[in-house]
Amino acid sequence: EDQVTQSPEALRLQEGESSSLNCSYTVSGLRGLFWYRQDPGKGPEFLFTLYSAGEEKEKERLKATLTKKESFLHITAPKPEDSATYLCAAAPLGTYKYIFGTGTRLKVLA
Amino acid sequence: NAGVTQTPKFQVLKTGQSMTLQCAQDMNHNSMYWYRQDPGMGLRLIYYSASEGTTDKGEVPNGYNVSRLNKREFSLRLESAAPSQTSVYFCASSEGAGGPWNIQYFGAGTRLSVL
Repeated sequence: EDQVTQSPEALRLQEGESSSLNCSYTVSGLRGLFWYRQDPGKGPEFLFTLYSAGEEKEKERLKATLTKKESFLHITAPKPEDSATYLCAAAPLGTYKYIFGTGTRLKVLA
Repeated sequence: NAGVTQTPKFQVLKTGQSMTLQCAQDMNHNSMYWYRQDPGMGLRLIYYSASEGTTDKGEVPNGYNVSRLNKREFSLRLESAAPSQTSVYFCASSEGAGGPWNIQYFGAGTRLSVL
C-alpha cells in the first residue's frame, strides 16, 4: 500500500537552531516527491519537487534531499517566519495521485 | 494573477442541507482536484478531473459529486450534508495529471461545518 509518513509531528526550534524534517515513503515507483508549506488558515504552497535519488534542491534557508526511501527538509538557521506546517507528498508512477503525509508543525522561537 | 480561487471561504450547514463549493483557476491548467483535510489524516483526494469533460473518483468520493464546468471551473457538491463532512476543502490544479513536472497548486480552502 502506498504510504507517506512524516516525522516529527511537531518541532520547536530556537531562532538559528538548524534541524531536519523527515518524510518516509512507500510507493510503487516514484514519479515525484513534493514539499509544501502550509500556513494556518491557508492552502499548501509549493516549495520543491524531487525526481530521483541523490537529487537536492535549495531555496533560501531550506534544502530538500531525496533517497530511495526518504526525503529530508533541512532548515538552516531558521527564523520565526519559517514557522508553518511542512507537508510532503509522493506521487506514484502511472497515476494522477499525490499521497500526502500528515505534516510536521514547525515553530521557530525568537 | 489569482491562481486558484475558492468560494465560499467559510460555510455552516445543517445536516441534510446541500451546497456547492466553487473553484476556478486562471493558469490555463488541464487538471483539477478536490481534497479534504482533517486533523491527523493529511490531505485526501475526493475527486479529480484530468482534463475538461472528464472526472474520476479519488480516495474518499462517497457523499460528493463534481462537475467540470469548463477548463477553468471545477465544482464540488454535497447533496445531503453529514457531520462527517465537516472539514477543510481544498481545490488544486496542475498543468497535467502525470509526470513529476505536474505540480499541483492549491487554493486557500473552504472551511465547512455541518451541524
